[in-house]
Amino acid sequence: AQSVTQLDSQVPVFEEAPVELRCNYSSSVSVYLFWYVQYPNQGLQLLLKYLSGSTLVKGINGFEAEFNKSQTSFHLRKPSVHISDTAEYLCAVKSPMDSNYQLIWGAGTKLIIKP
Amino acid sequence: DAGITQSPRHKVTETGTPVTLRCHQTENHRYMYWYRQDPGHGLRLIHYSYGVKDTDKGEVSDGYSVSRSKTEDFLLTLESATSSQTSVYFCAISESSQSVYGYTFGSGTRLTVV
Repeated sequence: AQSVTQLDSQVPVFEEAPVELRCNYSSSVSVYLFWYVQYPNQGLQLLLKYLSGSTLVKGINGFEAEFNKSQTSFHLRKPSVHISDTAEYLCAVKSPMDSNYQLIWGAGTKLIIKP
Repeated sequence: DAGITQSPRHKVTETGTPVTLRCHQTENHRYMYWYRQDPGHGLRLIHYSYGVKDTDKGEVSDGYSVSRSKTEDFLLTLESATSSQTSVYFCAISESSQSVYGYTFGSGTRLTVV
């Protein structure tokens, strides 16, 4: 069964520094990949998604992610973070071949921006 | 967020009482999901629905039931609330079974069982 690993539970970074949040999934079969952001005391919002095509995906708020099939990874990056990026970031995967309707979720990574 | 609302936003209830949480959507999406979110566990699926009166269990369904009598409403009931069910509950909707459009989430219900 598919699984998703977000190795870092928290990532502290200084404001205006670059950041990478890591996401790995277990199976190398065809997948759809998603990054969601959850601001404090709010619901989740879709940041970006990979379905097919270009492996570099651009999302909202200056974030981008790169799909790497050989490493089964979908890491999220931003070249310069701001205080407003403080949030939890969740990676999710869906295998089109699976008969169920569910996204499989990682445990999330808290991005902590230090002034 | 526009298109999906959860009620109530906050609730405190006593152990042993039944509780119903409501998810209402105006997007006419076929697929609806109930999740709970707890520190260290991420999002865990409780139940989901793939159409009116069509529901199925997720990974943490014990102690919960759901009903979907209309496309727009998906109710989650805690039969007899326990302290372990203290959590933040999120409803989500999806247009596609393959989730190609992603999910749209409600703002959540913070439930405290005392």
